[in-house]
Amino acid sequence: EVQLLESGGGLVRPGGSLRLSCAPSGFTFSNYAMSWVRQAPGEGLEWVSSISGSGGRTYYADSVKGRFTISRDDSKNTLYLEMNSLRDEDTAVYYCAKFVTLSGGDYFDYWGQGTLVTVSS
Amino acid sequence: DIVMTQSPDSLAVSLGERATINCKSSQSVLYSSNNKNYLAWYQQKPGQPPKLLIYWASTRESGVPDRFSGSGSGTEFTLTISSLQAEDVAVYYCQQYYNTLPLTFGGGTKVEIK
Repeated sequence: EVQLLESGGGLVRPGGSLRLSCAPSGFTFSNYAMSWVRQAPGEGLEWVSSISGSGGRTYYADSVKGRFTISRDDSKNTLYLEMNSLRDEDTAVYYCAKFVTLSGGDYFDYWGQGTLVTVSS
Repeated sequence: DIVMTQSPDSLAVSLGERATINCKSSQSVLYSSNNKNYLAWYQQKPGQPPKLLIYWASTRESGVPDRFSGSGSGTEFTLTISSLQAEDVAVYYCQQYYNTLPLTFGGGTKVEIK
């Protein structure tokens, strides 16, 4: 059974930093591209960032480019999202999501339960 | 960016009746070389993450009840629930993956019981 378990969310002040982690199981992690998708309270879904199966290619939404860094450690079976210079508008539930291919850029067949990031003074 | 617009924002349907959700893309998501529409549908129940229902606009994900169906091509798509069940109360999102930068979702359609 495929599972994606996010962690690392919490309350952080504007300008602060946070690192999210996602621990996948039930599939060969290195064979698939992965992504982070967020959902602000009461709002819709927003794609944030993706990383290819090899980790060689990363992609970011304009809203987080230069502030967020996606990475993966296939030896530790973990996906990360390093978030810096956090703003109020980054407040959201952050979901780890699995693409159906190695290269990514397609649809998501599995999602984690999400971790809440609250940016507030 | 490809903008995805869903309608209506919400709808209330009686149990056993049909629910129809529309999704329009600001440009075609039909790739001519393989004749595939790069569009997916997700269901998000309260307090849960999204769940994949349909991909390639009309292919049902394994395990999804056959009362859910997707149709359309190019820029206009529809998700139909043929006979609404109580467990179908959720918000439904479309997503295009024709342009991977950025991947974009519709604003969501909330389905409730009348």
